[in-house]
Amino acid sequence: AQSVTQLGSHVSVSEGALVLLRCNYSSSVPPYLFWYVQYPNQGLQLLLKYTSAATLVKGINGFEAEFKKSETSFHLTKPSAHMSDAAEYFCAVKYGTSYGKLTFGQGTILTVHP
Amino acid sequence: EPEVTQTPSHQVTQMGQEVILRCVPISNHLYFYWYRQILGQKVEFLVSFYNNEISEKSEIFDDQFSVERPDGSNFTLKIRSTKLEDSAMYFCASSGLAGSSHEQYFGPGTRLTVT
Repeated sequence: AQSVTQLGSHVSVSEGALVLLRCNYSSSVPPYLFWYVQYPNQGLQLLLKYTSAATLVKGINGFEAEFKKSETSFHLTKPSAHMSDAAEYFCAVKYGTSYGKLTFGQGTILTVHP
Repeated sequence: EPEVTQTPSHQVTQMGQEVILRCVPISNHLYFYWYRQILGQKVEFLVSFYNNEISEKSEIFDDQFSVERPDGSNFTLKIRSTKLEDSAMYFCASSGLAGSSHEQYFGPGTRLTVT
């Protein structure tokens, strides 16, 4: 069964510091991978996606993620955190068809300190 | 920019009552989904819908749940007899044509509280 694991339910960084949010998937077949962000009292907004093109994917708000097949990982990074990045981040995986379901990780709450 | 909308934003209902959650997907999308997020837990898939029929459903989506696209714009989730454990945030999502990018666009959610 497909699954996604996000290491660390809470990550705290200082403003200007590197953000690293970890995501690992379990499958022998490369999936489609996504990162979504959820701000308080809002829906899920797509940050970026991997769909078997370039392994380094750039998204909105300065975020990027690298697909590493050998490590079954798709970690999300941002070189310099901003206060507005404080939110919950979800990694999600999809296999097969374009209309397949998303399987989400448990989410990581990012806190940014001044 | 097109977006998925959901109504109501918050629904409070008594156990055993029927509720209908409404969604308006992005207008040219063909695939529609419902997910839910129980407080403190991960987002879970409920059902996908295409060409006026269910494409896939999870084990959560039992006989108490149903989906419908009653007209060209709305997509609804009905819970026939709500239980306390149905309390959650329900998200609607839509995605585009086959062969296009795979992302799903989510609405802001409906918070359902069953008392």
